[in-house]
Amino acid sequence: GQSLEQPSEVTAVEGAIVQINCTYQTSGFYGLSWYQQHDGGAPTFLSYNALDGLEETGRFSSFLSRSDSYGYLLLQELQMKDSASYFCAVQTAGNKLTFGGGTRVLVKP
Amino acid sequence: KAGVTQTPRYLIKTRGQQVTLSCSPISGHRSVSWYQQTPGQGLQFLFEYFSETQRNKGNFPGRFSGRQFSNSRSEMNVSTLELGDSALYLCASSATGELFFGEGSRLTVL
Repeated sequence: GQSLEQPSEVTAVEGAIVQINCTYQTSGFYGLSWYQQHDGGAPTFLSYNALDGLEETGRFSSFLSRSDSYGYLLLQELQMKDSASYFCAVQTAGNKLTFGGGTRVLVKP
Repeated sequence: KAGVTQTPRYLIKTRGQQVTLSCSPISGHRSVSWYQQTPGQGLQFLFEYFSETQRNKGNFPGRFSGRQFSNSRSEMNVSTLELGDSALYLCASSATGELFFGEGSRLTVL
């Protein structure tokens, strides 16, 4: 089976940098995805890493180390609108995603 | 391009009843998957369909079932509802791996 661990909550101030770590155990690993979900909303895709290294998309970056079964999401120049839950998810065959428990990010002024 | 549409958005049922939820994927997406989201268990994979065939199934009892039609629209059904089935049921469609989620159907079982 698959299991993922990520911190449950992170608090930071506007303009700060937050790193959300995700460690996983899985078989048949295809890649690691990150999703953002605001309260009452649907999860929205942020990034996907299939290979080792850093992927940068604007203020958000994601990193993967397959040998360490580890990844992280980096949120830079935090804004109030970034307050949300962030989920890492392992992708295996057949578009199956196994999600972590989610990290609630609270951005304070 | 229209997003993923799920109906109904909210519904209330009583124990023992059954429910059918509907999902219309983004046009051109042939993969549709379903997830259950609860505060205690988080986001859990139910099943995934591609071209009317179930490719993958999560660890849910047989009361949970689904199907996909030739136009890629999908339905999921839960029979003999239990209180613990109260959850947000999310549908996601995909073409290249990235999942696009609908707003979900929030089911309350009384």
